[in-house]
This record gives sequence, structure tokens and C-alpha cells, in this order.
Amino acid sequence: SQQGEEDPQALSIQEGENATMNCSYKTSINNLQWYRQNSGRGLVHLILIRSNEREKHSGRLRVTLDTSKKSSSLLITASRAADTASYFCATDQNNAGNMLTFGGGTRLMVKP
Amino acid sequence: DVKVTQSSRYLVKRTGEKVFLECVQDMDHENMFWYRQDPGLGLRLIYFSYDVKMKEKGDIPEGYSVSREKKERFSLILESASTNQTSMYLCASSSQGSPIYEQYFGPGTRLTVT
Repeated sequence: SQQGEEDPQALSIQEGENATMNCSYKTSINNLQWYRQNSGRGLVHLILIRSNEREKHSGRLRVTLDTSKKSSSLLITASRAADTASYFCATDQNNAGNMLTFGGGTRLMVKP
Repeated sequence: DVKVTQSSRYLVKRTGEKVFLECVQDMDHENMFWYRQDPGLGLRLIYFSYDVKMKEKGDIPEGYSVSREKKERFSLILESASTNQTSMYLCASSSQGSPIYEQYFGPGTRLTVT
């Protein structure tokens, strides 16, 4: 079953614009992670936010978490053509954090 | 640099064949995972292993089995491949000791069953 649902499914923007992707989930979590996947490749971990955190930054990435609404957002500022990829949120399913449940992803296209 | 490798990037098999997908990680991770990825469905967990010879079913284990004889290697087996198993298969590993629990992924194997 999918825990995380990303919105929108696809997003197309111009280079230099900001891109915002949202993720909603159904059950309580310990942490939420965002991953990136270039076309036809494996996923790469971007950032993790714990359930007791509200916001986290990493370079041009900003992640927020609202546990009351069971939602998270990933903001990429000043986007570049190289940011074109699919972005997935993933939530843990148990306290050990061994398993993650991934959403369907947002396909981001950044036009030069 | 951490690395997860998968035995093939592309694989074409016939219906009914037995298929082995191999995954090797060099990070001494305890946990290893097999996912399949299909358009619009995201990643779905097939099986995972938290130790040598240990395995747990994920969300969609039917039609698959796994083997973990050594810590660094996790194999996914399709006993009798069917066309509905055509998909991208991703292997991942993670550390139990890390507080982060991020998963490291291999490049994927695109399997086509004809």
C-alpha cells in the first residue's frame, strides 16, 4: 500500500523558478525522506526530516513537515535544468526504520 | 564511495523461465531490499532482509523468492517468469546502526518478460 502520495504528478517550470512538490501520508511516522531519481536510474537520498522537526534545509532544498496534516513539501529554489528528475517521498513503517514506503513520485522538468 | 551494484541493467526473458537478479553492496549494511517500480505505482517492496539468511515479505512477494547467503549479496528469484513481472527492479541497502536509515540504491534492472 502506498503511504505517501505526491502532488503534483508532473511539474514543468523554467530554469531559475522555484519548484514545490507535496507529499501526504496516512499513518504516524518517525521520519520522512525525499529521494531523487534520474531517468532510468536508481534513487538517491536527498534529505530526511524527523517527526519532531518542522523545517530542514540542504543547499537549494527546503523541506517542511506538518504532522497535524500528515503532509510534507519539498521546495527546490532557483531550479536548474539538471534538477530534471522524479522526486519521491518515503516514510518509515516501523520504529526500527528498516522499511520505507514510497509514494508515486513527482516528475519535474526544468526547461533551460 | 558507497556502492550498490546490480548484475544487469537490461534483461529479456521468456515466460516460464527462472530468473535471477543479483545485488551486491560494499557498505557492510545489514539491511537489503528489493523493490519493483512501475509507472504510476511508485516503488513497491517485494522482500527485504535484515541479516544473513533472514528475509521478510514486503507488499508484493507473490511470484518471487529471495536468497541471502552472504551479507553483501541479496538475490531476487522469479521461479517462473510471467509477463506481468515486466518491470524495473531496484535493489537497496541500509545500515541498522545508522540513525538516518537512508537507503542506498543500485542502478536498477529493467526486466522484460516476453
